[in-house]
Amino acid sequence: GAGVSQSPSNKVTEKGKDVELRCDPISGHTALYWYRQSLGQGLEFLIYFQGNSAPDKSGLPSDRFSAERTGGSVSTLTIQRTQQEDSAVYLCASSFRADHLGMDIQYFGAGTRLSVL
Amino acid sequence: QKEVEQDPGPLSVPEGAIVSLNCTYSNSAFQYFMWYRQYSRKGPELLMYTYSSGNKEDGRFTAQVDKSSKYISLFIRDSQPSDSATYLCAMSANNYGQNFVFGPGTRLSVLP
Repeated sequence: GAGVSQSPSNKVTEKGKDVELRCDPISGHTALYWYRQSLGQGLEFLIYFQGNSAPDKSGLPSDRFSAERTGGSVSTLTIQRTQQEDSAVYLCASSFRADHLGMDIQYFGAGTRLSVL
Repeated sequence: QKEVEQDPGPLSVPEGAIVSLNCTYSNSAFQYFMWYRQYSRKGPELLMYTYSSGNKEDGRFTAQVDKSSKYISLFIRDSQPSDSATYLCAMSANNYGQNFVFGPGTRLSVLP
């Protein structure tokens, strides 16, 4: 597909279980981001990958959260020992650098809606 | 105080109305300002961007930035039911995606 693809679209899990969320970025985009969107909150930055550089993990809320990006393409966000407060929509975006605009243009996936019971 | 504030709405207007959506911010270093539109169960999509102060127009949409007041606006003229969505503002001091700070979004309903 031409856009950012995320799977699953919905995930229901029990408190304490681990979950894995997947993101397939747009081909050729070197940058990839994970955000969390909760009701009434802005997009909360979680982690950023750029090419082969070390990821910017400054937004991860706890050590239960981790992410990896294999081969500079697909990324997986893992949440261990899920808690009810982890319930949110997890959005992935990839971007290219628009030199004529001097800024990164982000394209978002539809997100994974995570519910922790 | 949050870095970026936005009235969550919902805002309901009749078709054809002029809509004004606004964000305030506290960080005077912000120079890049963006508006995203997010339809239900979809990811945000970039609608407009501006750099520094001033106005920018694109069809029925006008983005306005007042850095002295730390206030940005998005105006939608001749609003259509298809404009019904959540509108998020985003801003940053530099133009790198990992530094974008997003507002919580305003939910807009345009009634036929």
